[in-house]
Amino acid sequence: DAGVIQSPRHEVTEMGQEVTLRCKPISGHNSLFWYRQTMMRGLELLIYFNNNVPIDDSGMPEDRFSAKMPNASFSTLKIQPSEPRDSAVYFCASSLRGPGGGSGNTIYFGEGSWLTVV
Amino acid sequence: AQKITQTQPGMFVQEKEAVTLDCTYDTSDQSYGLFWYKQPSSGEMIFLIYQGSYDEQNATEGRYSLNFQKARKSANLVISASQLGDSAMYFCAMNQNKLIFGTGTRLQVFP
Repeated sequence: DAGVIQSPRHEVTEMGQEVTLRCKPISGHNSLFWYRQTMMRGLELLIYFNNNVPIDDSGMPEDRFSAKMPNASFSTLKIQPSEPRDSAVYFCASSLRGPGGGSGNTIYFGEGSWLTVV
Repeated sequence: AQKITQTQPGMFVQEKEAVTLDCTYDTSDQSYGLFWYKQPSSGEMIFLIYQGSYDEQNATEGRYSLNFQKARKSANLVISASQLGDSAMYFCAMNQNKLIFGTGTRLQVFP
């Protein structure tokens, strides 16, 4: 079975440019998560969707960040304009159900998108 | 509020030995899930093992077992018969309202 698929794997962009990260969750999973990982802050949840609806976006750092999930098999995370402090690994993840106890809530991660903003 | 604590920034273990990676958590809810993930140097996050708060038995998955002590709010990962390929970062996580992670433990397995 295909896992969570993210693209691009690596992106280097100049400050001020728009960056779009893409994600295809595991088929049949109802929840999708975007995480950011940095050395300073570790793994942070940015936003999660349940049945394509954003449920919690309290982790989105600021208005430059936006996320969409137009259908069950696709999501994007957009940064506009990008800044050097946005450099990080961005993970997309999915689970069968939303957060909470239960093995069906196991979250499976994609391989990450490594973003460098210069 | 949810909180996950991993107090060991780094651990060393000799090949074929067992190692325990510590994890404590804090929550006021009764229903939650505890997870361990492995992150090798290549960067991907690999799910290892899950323990539900209502599970009475400790979870096991091959060489991985989770030593769950609910009263102490600890969920330590035990890796038996360590292999060189086990060298990686290990993250403990709790899934209640959302999945939150500890700061991780870097495990180095030496020959």
